[in-house]
Amino acid sequence: GAGVSQSPSNKVTEKGKDVELRCDPISGHTALYWYRQSLGQGLEFLIYFQGNSAPDKSGLPSDRFSAERTGGSVSTLTIQRTQQEDSAVYLCASSLVAGGLTGELFFGEGSRLTVL
Amino acid sequence: GNSVTQMEGPVTLSEEAFLTINCTYTATGYPSLFWYVQYPGEGLQLLLKATKADDKGSNKGFEATYRKETTSFHLEKGSVQVSDSAVYFCALSLRGANSKLTFGKGITLSVRP
Repeated sequence: GAGVSQSPSNKVTEKGKDVELRCDPISGHTALYWYRQSLGQGLEFLIYFQGNSAPDKSGLPSDRFSAERTGGSVSTLTIQRTQQEDSAVYLCASSLVAGGLTGELFFGEGSRLTVL
Repeated sequence: GNSVTQMEGPVTLSEEAFLTINCTYTATGYPSLFWYVQYPGEGLQLLLKATKADDKGSNKGFEATYRKETTSFHLEKGSVQVSDSAVYFCALSLRGANSKLTFGKGITLSVRP
């Protein structure tokens, strides 16, 4: 498809398990962002990729969170030893150039993570 | 640091009512300002933007004016429709190659027929 694709759309896991969330950005978009959307908290920035490198990973909440991007395309967000407070919708967005220049990010529909 | 503050929600209006959603910001530099909208079951999408003071962004009948003196970017629409029911996010970004968007908490708008 032409948009940002995320998988899985829904993930229920047990506390302590690891999860991987995948983002397939729009073809040709060099910038990729991960955000977390929690009830009452708005959108929380996690990490930004320019190509395969991450100039800004300041939003990752702990060392249990990591992300990588390969081939300048697909990105994976990994959460190790999940906790209940990790329950949220994880959003991926991409843009042709870095968001600060134009501000137009294209978002996927998100991956809803529930940690029991 | 940079931050965006939106009015508390949710907001419920009748169709054809006037809408104002307040947004104020704090920024260390000279930001660009945005409104994003999230319709039910869909991803966020850009609604409108303004990149310098006194600019007015507009789209789909919505407008917002970049007010540097009051550090505000309030969203307005003269006559809302049921199809405008969604979550609205105000956001800012600073100039720079590695800049990210900083979002407010969002506000849910419900429009009754």
